[in-house]
Amino acid sequence: AQTVTQSQPEMSVQEAETVTLSCTYDTSESDYYLFWYKQPPSRQMILVIRQEAYKQQNATENRFSVNFQKAAKSFSLKISDSQLGDAAMYFCAYRTYSGNTGKLIFGQGTTLQVKP
Amino acid sequence: DTAVSQTPKYLVTQMGNDKSIKCEQNLGHDTMYWYKQDSKKFLKIMFSYNNKELIINETVPNRFSPKSPDKAHLNLHINSLELGDSAVYFCASSHLRDQPQHFGDGTRLSIL
Repeated sequence: AQTVTQSQPEMSVQEAETVTLSCTYDTSESDYYLFWYKQPPSRQMILVIRQEAYKQQNATENRFSVNFQKAAKSFSLKISDSQLGDAAMYFCAYRTYSGNTGKLIFGQGTTLQVKP
Repeated sequence: DTAVSQTPKYLVTQMGNDKSIKCEQNLGHDTMYWYKQDSKKFLKIMFSYNNKELIINETVPNRFSPKSPDKAHLNLHINSLELGDSAVYFCASSHLRDQPQHFGDGTRLSIL
């Protein structure tokens, strides 16, 4: 069974600085999707970025980018020019490419604090 | 327009009661999901329906019964509520063979 691990329960960053959140996963599959979701105090689940495992190029979305290391099964999220609105809990998630369920498997989450 | 909407947003009730949470999506997706987020913020899949057919039923007590009248709706009924059922329940939707999943705002269930 696939597992997702986020080893940093809490992180903090100074406003305008850069922070990296770590995520590792375990799978025997070769094709899958990886996601980062943001959950602010309002508790909404907001998709930040996604990566298809068959793509070698790291995904980027404005200030958010990932470092996808398939062999190492690592999927870290880099937030550049951190803003106060980035303060939230961040979840890494795995989804199989094949199969007929589509379920997401989540990590434990990392709470990000942004200091002014 | 809200893409995935859940009602109610908050639900406070007594132990032993029966309650339902409703979910509707207007994205035209064919698959809907229920996730549970516990007090430690851990998210876990509970159920999934694809075109009204149950495709995921993770190890969930049979007091929980999902119902999908059509592919735009997925409701969750919970019988004989227990203290351990206190959590935030999220509904989500997507195309089965496409992603990502879009989430509702969650329903916070508190059992007294």
